[in-house]
Amino acid sequence: EVQVVESGGGLVQPGGSLRLSCAASGFTLSDHYMDWARQAPGKGLEWVGRTGNKINNYGTEYAASVKGRFTISNDESKNSLYLQMNSLRTEDTAVYYCVSYQWLVAYWGQGTLVTVSS
Amino acid sequence: EIVLTQSPGTLSLSPGERATLSCRASQTVSSSHFGWYQQRPGQAPRLLIYSASSRATGIPDRFSGSGSGTDFTLTISRLEPEDFAMYYCQQYVTSPITFGQGTRLEIK
Repeated sequence: EVQVVESGGGLVQPGGSLRLSCAASGFTLSDHYMDWARQAPGKGLEWVGRTGNKINNYGTEYAASVKGRFTISNDESKNSLYLQMNSLRTEDTAVYYCVSYQWLVAYWGQGTLVTVSS
Repeated sequence: EIVLTQSPGTLSLSPGERATLSCRASQTVSSSHFGWYQQRPGQAPRLLIYSASSRATGIPDRFSGSGSGTDFTLTISRLEPEDFAMYYCQQYVTSPITFGQGTRLEIK
């Protein structure tokens, strides 16, 4: 069964850093495109960024709102994806979701809450 | 950026009625990379439809998707109580990946 599970959320002060993890099971993460998406409290869904698969050398793309502050990476040995978030702002407060695309079907995790507040 | 505009913003219907939700794109979208999600309060988005018209695993056949180019539709043939929720459309091939702003389906 395909599954992705996010972890690492929590409370962080403005300007701080946090790293989120996404553990994949039931598939090999490096074979598929992976996204991070987020949802601020009471708001809609927002794409954060994407990493390609091993074939395209894990090319990454980011939303304008996080470019230069957030970095997506992966660890093949752990079959895991990461989102390094630096210079966090209050507007980054959201539930962060990991998404795997497999043959056009998207698999979402349950999300992890990041709260940026002093 | 491909902007997805969903209409209506809120749809008020009764159980047993038919719901038609629309998503219009600002430019042509690949049908293969277009989907619909349902989201209930406090839950993660649930994929209903992928590739514009294919039902995801476990989705009841009262849900159907159609459309191509710039106009896409999600139809729920007979509403069940558990269908009242938020619905989002998404295109997932052209960066930046974009979502519609959502349609709230509420009980009349």
